Amino acid sequence: AQSVTQLDSQVPVFEEAPVELRCNYSSSVSVYLFWYVQYPNQGLQLLLKYLSGSTLVKGINGFEAEFNKSQTSFHLRKPSVHISDTAEYFCAVCSDSGYSTLTFGKGTMLLVSP
Amino acid sequence: ETGVTQSPTHLIKTRGQQVTLRCSSQSGHNTVSWYQQALGQGPQFIFQYYREEENGRGNFPPRFSGLQFPNYSSELNVNALELDDSALYLCASSRGTPNSPLHFGNGTRLTVT
Repeated sequence: AQSVTQLDSQVPVFEEAPVELRCNYSSSVSVYLFWYVQYPNQGLQLLLKYLSGSTLVKGINGFEAEFNKSQTSFHLRKPSVHISDTAEYFCAVCSDSGYSTLTFGKGTMLLVSP
Repeated sequence: ETGVTQSPTHLIKTRGQQVTLRCSSQSGHNTVSWYQQALGQGPQFIFQYYREEENGRGNFPPRFSGLQFPNYSSELNVNALELDDSALYLCASSRGTPNSPLHFGNGTRLTVT
């Protein structure tokens, strides 16, 4: 079984500032890792994923994440945020043998203000 | 390319009633998964269907059941509704192969009173 911990329920930040959203996972098997974004009254949109290879993964909208196996972390970063990045962000994990079954964290609300 | 569509968008039911939620998968996708997202929580896996067969289930009671049809659309049925079933129900489709991401619909907001 896997679990995901998102350490911050809310992250307030000013426009054009950098941001990091933290994610730690627990698993007894090898995993794939994902970040999804959810805008109000919408479903989830995939930002980026780590399957294998380079530990630095680039996604849409200027986001990137780094997989750190020793620290079991997959933190999401963006060097300069926009007002439109205000949304809920979910980190998710699945075992590499059950690709479509995701375990999500509780989410981090990113609040970008002018 | 048509995305994942869910209906209805909102629904209000009374405790003890039954409800059916519907999902049309994205073109070319043969796998459908359902998730429950309670307020302030991350989505929780209910079950997954691959080529009309259930091939994975989360920690949900049997009153949560589903179907997948030959065109890969899907239904989620919940019997004997409880107040705690109030949530956003998300459907996601995929090609069911490694490296195939989940594509989510906008969800059905179910309120049980």
